[in-house]
Amino acid sequence: DAGVIQSPRHEVTEMGQEVTLRCKPISGHNSLFWYRQTMMRGLELLIYFNNNVPIDDSGMPEDRFSAKMPNASFSTLKIQPSEPRDSAVYFCASSLWSGSTDTQYFGPGTRLTVL
Amino acid sequence: AQSVAQPEDQVNVAEGNPLTVKCTYSVSGNPYLFWYVQYPNRGLQFLLKYITGDNLVKGSYGFEAEFNKSQTSFHLKKPSALVSDSALYFCAVRDIEDSNYQLIWGAGTKLIIKP
Repeated sequence: DAGVIQSPRHEVTEMGQEVTLRCKPISGHNSLFWYRQTMMRGLELLIYFNNNVPIDDSGMPEDRFSAKMPNASFSTLKIQPSEPRDSAVYFCASSLWSGSTDTQYFGPGTRLTVL
Repeated sequence: AQSVAQPEDQVNVAEGNPLTVKCTYSVSGNPYLFWYVQYPNRGLQFLLKYITGDNLVKGSYGFEAEFNKSQTSFHLKKPSALVSDSALYFCAVRDIEDSNYQLIWGAGTKLIIKP
Protein backbone atom coordinates (compact mmCIF):
# COMPACT_ATOMS: atom_id res chain seq x y z
CA ASP A 1 0.00 0.00 0.00
CA ALA A 2 1.34 3.43 -0.94
CA GLY A 3 -0.03 5.09 2.16
CA VAL A 4 -1.55 8.54 2.21
CA ILE A 5 -0.16 10.69 -0.58
CA GLN A 6 0.08 14.45 -0.35
CA SER A 7 1.18 17.00 -2.91
CA PRO A 8 3.04 19.19 -3.15
CA ARG A 9 5.53 18.39 -0.39
CA HIS A 10 6.69 21.98 -0.25
CA GLU A 11 4.94 25.13 -1.38
CA VAL A 12 6.27 28.66 -1.28
CA THR A 13 3.92 31.42 -2.33
CA GLU A 14 3.35 35.09 -1.88
CA MET A 15 0.70 36.67 0.26
CA GLY A 16 -2.61 36.95 -1.56
CA GLN A 17 -2.07 33.98 -3.82
CA GLU A 18 -4.32 30.95 -3.92
CA VAL A 19 -2.88 27.71 -2.58
CA THR A 20 -4.27 24.24 -3.19
CA LEU A 21 -3.09 21.23 -1.24
CA ARG A 22 -3.95 17.73 -2.40
CA CYS A 23 -4.45 14.42 -0.69
CA LYS A 24 -5.03 10.87 -1.82
CA PRO A 25 -6.18 8.67 1.07
CA ILE A 26 -5.41 5.00 1.50
CA SER A 27 -7.62 2.93 -0.77
CA GLY A 28 -10.66 1.61 1.08
CA HIS A 29 -10.56 4.18 3.85
CA ASN A 30 -13.79 6.09 4.41
CA SER A 31 -12.66 8.94 6.66
CA LEU A 32 -10.28 11.75 5.82
CA PHE A 33 -8.81 14.42 8.08
CA TRP A 34 -6.94 17.65 7.41
CA TYR A 35 -4.59 18.89 10.15
CA ARG A 36 -2.32 21.89 10.53
CA GLN A 37 0.85 21.81 12.63
CA THR A 38 2.73 24.85 13.90
CA MET A 39 5.23 25.37 16.67
CA MET A 40 2.90 27.78 18.44
CA ARG A 41 -0.37 25.88 18.22
CA GLY A 42 0.74 22.28 17.82
CA LEU A 43 -1.48 19.88 15.88
CA GLU A 44 -4.92 21.25 14.98
CA LEU A 45 -7.75 19.43 13.25
CA LEU A 46 -9.15 21.63 10.49
CA ILE A 47 -11.88 19.45 9.00
CA TYR A 48 -12.81 15.84 8.53
CA PHE A 49 -14.93 13.88 6.09
CA ASN A 50 -16.76 10.60 6.37
CA ASN A 51 -17.82 8.90 3.14
CA ASN A 52 -16.86 12.09 1.28
CA VAL A 53 -19.20 14.24 3.40
CA PRO A 54 -17.77 16.99 5.61
CA ILE A 55 -18.70 16.16 9.20
CA ASP A 56 -17.06 18.92 11.19
CA ASP A 57 -15.32 21.98 9.81
CA SER A 58 -15.26 23.93 13.06
CA GLY A 59 -11.48 23.88 13.01
CA MET A 60 -11.23 25.77 9.74
CA PRO A 61 -9.70 29.10 10.75
CA GLU A 62 -11.78 31.36 8.56
CA ASP A 63 -13.56 31.68 5.25
CA ARG A 64 -10.29 31.84 3.38
CA PHE A 65 -9.99 28.09 3.96
CA SER A 66 -12.12 25.56 2.11
CA ALA A 67 -11.92 21.79 1.64
CA LYS A 68 -13.56 19.40 -0.75
CA MET A 69 -13.72 15.68 -1.24
CA PRO A 70 -15.28 15.03 -4.64
CA ASN A 71 -14.70 11.29 -4.44
CA ALA A 72 -13.29 8.63 -2.12
CA SER A 73 -9.79 8.90 -3.51
CA PHE A 74 -9.14 12.63 -3.55
CA SER A 75 -9.42 15.70 -1.35
CA THR A 76 -8.22 19.29 -1.58
CA LEU A 77 -7.60 22.03 0.93
CA LYS A 78 -7.63 25.51 -0.56
CA ILE A 79 -6.50 28.78 0.94
CA GLN A 80 -7.58 31.92 -0.88
CA PRO A 81 -6.11 34.44 -0.34
CA SER A 82 -3.11 33.13 1.56
CA GLU A 83 -1.49 35.08 4.40
CA PRO A 84 1.91 34.71 6.11
CA ARG A 85 0.21 33.37 9.26
CA ASP A 86 -0.98 30.38 7.21
CA SER A 87 2.60 29.15 7.04
CA ALA A 88 2.59 25.68 8.60
CA VAL A 89 2.81 22.00 7.81
CA TYR A 90 -0.51 20.62 6.62
CA PHE A 91 -1.19 16.93 7.10
CA CYS A 92 -3.83 14.73 5.60
CA ALA A 93 -4.80 11.51 7.37
CA SER A 94 -7.21 8.74 6.50
CA SER A 95 -8.85 5.90 8.38
CA LEU A 96 -11.38 3.12 8.06
CA TRP A 97 -14.19 3.96 10.39
CA SER A 98 -15.85 0.73 11.48
CA GLY A 99 -18.48 2.17 13.79
CA SER A 100 -16.43 1.63 16.93
CA THR A 101 -12.95 2.94 16.38
CA ASP A 102 -10.34 3.51 13.76
CA THR A 103 -6.65 4.29 13.38
CA GLN A 104 -5.61 7.37 11.46
CA TYR A 105 -2.73 7.10 9.03
CA PHE A 106 -0.93 10.28 8.14
CA GLY A 107 0.62 11.50 4.94
CA PRO A 108 4.08 13.09 4.83
CA GLY A 109 2.65 16.60 4.95
CA THR A 110 2.89 19.76 2.87
CA ARG A 111 5.15 22.47 4.21
CA LEU A 112 3.57 25.79 3.23
CA THR A 113 5.47 29.05 3.38
CA VAL A 114 3.60 32.25 2.62
CA LEU A 115 5.90 35.22 2.10
CA ALA B 1 -15.04 17.96 27.86
CA GLN B 2 -12.40 15.61 26.53
CA SER B 3 -8.75 16.51 27.04
CA VAL B 4 -5.27 15.06 26.92
CA ALA B 5 -2.24 16.25 28.83
CA GLN B 6 1.38 15.47 28.15
CA PRO B 7 2.97 17.15 31.15
CA GLU B 8 6.54 17.11 29.85
CA ASP B 9 7.60 19.18 26.87
CA GLN B 10 10.85 17.25 26.68
CA VAL B 11 12.26 14.03 28.12
CA ASN B 12 15.97 13.25 28.11
CA VAL B 13 17.17 9.67 28.49
CA ALA B 14 20.54 8.01 28.11
CA GLU B 15 20.78 5.28 25.50
CA GLY B 16 20.12 1.88 27.02
CA ASN B 17 18.06 3.25 29.90
CA PRO B 18 14.30 2.73 30.20
CA LEU B 19 12.11 5.57 29.01
CA THR B 20 8.66 6.80 29.94
CA VAL B 21 6.61 9.45 28.17
CA LYS B 22 3.61 10.48 30.22
CA CYS B 23 0.02 11.00 29.14
CA THR B 24 -3.11 11.65 31.16
CA TYR B 25 -6.59 12.05 29.79
CA SER B 26 -10.08 13.17 30.68
CA VAL B 27 -13.23 11.80 29.05
CA SER B 28 -16.77 11.42 30.30
CA GLY B 29 -17.05 7.80 29.19
CA ASN B 30 -14.51 5.10 28.42
CA PRO B 31 -11.49 6.02 26.33
CA TYR B 32 -9.84 4.87 23.18
CA LEU B 33 -6.17 5.87 23.53
CA PHE B 34 -3.43 6.20 20.95
CA TRP B 35 0.28 6.95 20.71
CA TYR B 36 1.88 8.36 17.58
CA VAL B 37 5.50 9.25 16.81
CA GLN B 38 6.75 11.99 14.51
CA TYR B 39 10.29 11.94 13.20
CA PRO B 40 11.78 15.20 11.86
CA ASN B 41 10.16 16.36 8.64
CA ARG B 42 7.84 13.35 8.57
CA GLY B 43 4.18 12.69 9.16
CA LEU B 44 2.85 11.09 12.32
CA GLN B 45 3.20 7.33 12.55
CA PHE B 46 0.88 5.11 14.55
CA LEU B 47 2.62 3.29 17.42
CA LEU B 48 -0.11 1.59 19.42
CA LYS B 49 -3.64 1.90 20.75
CA TYR B 50 -5.77 0.79 23.66
CA ILE B 51 -9.35 -0.16 22.92
CA THR B 52 -10.28 -2.69 25.57
CA GLY B 53 -8.89 -5.77 27.30
CA ASP B 54 -5.34 -6.11 28.57
CA ASN B 55 -4.12 -2.90 30.15
CA LEU B 56 -0.63 -3.41 28.73
CA VAL B 57 -0.52 -2.71 25.02
CA LYS B 58 2.47 -3.57 22.87
CA GLY B 59 3.25 -1.63 19.73
CA SER B 60 5.84 -0.90 17.11
CA TYR B 61 9.59 -0.50 17.64
CA GLY B 62 9.49 -2.19 21.08
CA PHE B 63 7.22 0.40 22.66
CA GLU B 64 4.43 -0.44 25.04
CA ALA B 65 1.89 1.55 27.01
CA GLU B 66 -0.04 0.84 30.17
CA PHE B 67 -3.64 1.91 30.57
CA ASN B 68 -4.44 2.89 34.15
CA LYS B 69 -8.10 3.72 34.58
CA SER B 70 -7.88 4.87 38.18
CA GLN B 71 -5.09 7.32 37.35
CA THR B 72 -6.54 8.15 33.91
CA SER B 73 -3.12 7.62 32.43
CA PHE B 74 -1.65 5.95 29.37
CA HIS B 75 2.13 6.27 29.69
CA LEU B 76 4.39 5.15 26.87
CA LYS B 77 7.36 3.00 27.84
CA LYS B 78 10.34 1.20 26.43
CA PRO B 79 12.77 -0.94 28.46
CA SER B 80 15.93 0.16 26.64
CA ALA B 81 16.09 3.41 24.68
CA LEU B 82 17.82 3.78 21.33
CA VAL B 83 19.22 6.98 19.87
CA SER B 84 16.88 6.39 16.93
CA ASP B 85 13.90 6.72 19.29
CA SER B 86 14.57 10.46 19.44
CA ALA B 87 11.41 12.06 18.06
CA LEU B 88 8.21 13.87 18.96
CA TYR B 89 5.55 11.70 20.61
CA PHE B 90 1.83 12.43 20.66
CA CYS B 91 -0.87 10.93 22.83
CA ALA B 92 -4.50 11.10 21.66
CA VAL B 93 -7.89 10.07 23.06
CA ARG B 94 -11.44 9.55 21.92
CA ASP B 95 -14.44 8.95 24.16
CA ILE B 96 -16.10 5.64 23.24
CA GLU B 97 -19.49 7.17 23.98
CA ASP B 98 -18.89 10.02 21.59
CA SER B 99 -20.01 9.47 18.03
CA ASN B 100 -17.68 12.24 16.95
CA TYR B 101 -14.80 10.92 14.90
CA GLN B 102 -12.31 13.36 16.28
CA LEU B 103 -9.25 12.46 18.24
CA ILE B 104 -8.21 14.87 20.97
CA TRP B 105 -4.44 15.35 20.72
CA GLY B 106 -1.84 16.14 23.33
CA ALA B 107 0.71 18.87 22.72
CA GLY B 108 3.50 16.39 22.13
CA THR B 109 6.63 15.42 24.05
CA LYS B 110 10.07 15.69 22.53
CA LEU B 111 12.11 12.63 23.42
CA ILE B 112 15.88 12.98 23.25
CA ILE B 113 18.03 9.90 23.63
CA LYS B 114 21.67 10.67 24.29
CA PRO B 115 24.44 8.24 23.32
